[in-house]
Amino acid sequence: EPEVTQTPSHQVTQMGQEVILRCVPISNHLYFYWYRQILGQKVEFLVSFYNNEISEKSEIFDDQFSVERPDGSNFTLKIRSTKLEDSAMYFCASSEQGTSYEQYFGPGTRLTVT
Amino acid sequence: DAKTTQPPSMDCAEGRAANLPCNHSTISGNEYVYWYRQIHSQGPQYIIHGLKNNETNEMASLIITEDRKSSTLILPHATLRDTAVYYCIVRVADNNAGNMLTFGGGTRLMVKP
Repeated sequence: EPEVTQTPSHQVTQMGQEVILRCVPISNHLYFYWYRQILGQKVEFLVSFYNNEISEKSEIFDDQFSVERPDGSNFTLKIRSTKLEDSAMYFCASSEQGTSYEQYFGPGTRLTVT
Repeated sequence: DAKTTQPPSMDCAEGRAANLPCNHSTISGNEYVYWYRQIHSQGPQYIIHGLKNNETNEMASLIITEDRKSSTLILPHATLRDTAVYYCIVRVADNNAGNMLTFGGGTRLMVKP
């Protein structure tokens, strides 16, 4: 069964450093998403991406964040200058259509900012 | 999107049916009810969705009340692997309305041997 993959599974970085989290969505899917979950808290939407542009973003997704689909398979989330409060699990998801009932989530990348 | 209310936790004996309730009293006519679950810090997993009618798939059944103000997710024969946080989400299925999923606190279901 096709699945969303994410790399790395765990990333440790120092405050102020840039990080790039990588995702490979399911191949025929057109909509891509990033969510995050701070330890012990709710899953929070960050951004959705369609047709090579952001279609929706939350208040969390400020100028420190950016997304890109650099080629036909990868979807990346970049955090320019990490802060301690960026420590969280970051989940990538994809769906076939925007109206799709199912969003398929990856296993997540645990980001630890020290 | 309409707000949902779920009990924070529930227990269920292995092999028995798990019935997880959700209140969504402000649901609009074009909003669907979705259920996802999250097993111990894994990515959320879609379970089922419905608009008005009851729905069943290989994972679960969804019972929606006639007034659509509440619903129940039923796992007919819960196993230990069903221990997870279950999220009830209400949203429209419309490109123009946005595609984001808004997760609440969910119900932490503990299936016990």
